Amino acid sequence: ETGVTQTPRHLVMGMTNKKSLKCEQHLGHNAMYWYKQSAKKPLELMFVYNFKEQTENNSVPSRFSPECPNSSHLFLHLHTLQPEDSALYLCASSQDGLAGGNRYFGPGTRLLVL
Amino acid sequence: TQLLEQSPQFLSIQEGENLTVYCNSSSVFSSLQWYRQEPGEGPVLLVTVVTGGEVKKLKRLTFQFGDARKDSSLHITAAQPGDTGLYLCAGAWSNSGYALNFGKGTSLLVTP
Repeated sequence: ETGVTQTPRHLVMGMTNKKSLKCEQHLGHNAMYWYKQSAKKPLELMFVYNFKEQTENNSVPSRFSPECPNSSHLFLHLHTLQPEDSALYLCASSQDGLAGGNRYFGPGTRLLVL
Repeated sequence: TQLLEQSPQFLSIQEGENLTVYCNSSSVFSSLQWYRQEPGEGPVLLVTVVTGGEVKKLKRLTFQFGDARKDSSLHITAAQPGDTGLYLCAGAWSNSGYALNFGKGTSLLVTP
């Protein structure tokens, strides 16, 4: 595997379900990110981890819970989501957590909340 | 959050035509990146510009960073169907911390 991988690629869940998104980067980077991409909106930064430490949480509702066990893996735990949370969730990594660093994105998880 | 404005929002052209898309901000960028996102995939980095007035070329794509570092353009020469996708600009400012702010993108369709 190369680059940034995400699983699952597609997910349909009910509002009472609990699910997790997984991201793995094979680039030796130290920073990882979760972004949300909705129609007609810019990519929204959700969480930043730099050297496994969470450095940014952009006022994301607590029904989204990130976990970064090491610098290569990132999870997003989902519970009691709302239909408006349906979106493409993108994971990215970069060499470090600096704003100007190049982001390497995974293919995303397309989430539909019913 | 500082805003990036991208224009046009949508662009549909025929193969062989030239096009330019734009990215603007009211604040000075410390750096700016362009990404292309194809349907069903994540964005892929095309270029990073840092210096005002900088011009970078990537095959048929020409990227320009404004002298004042508040705007950028992407020009595609002789567009091909493979250029179809969402073109995103992303900017960092000196006070943006870890955040790289993205525009809404220009959705380009090139038809044969």
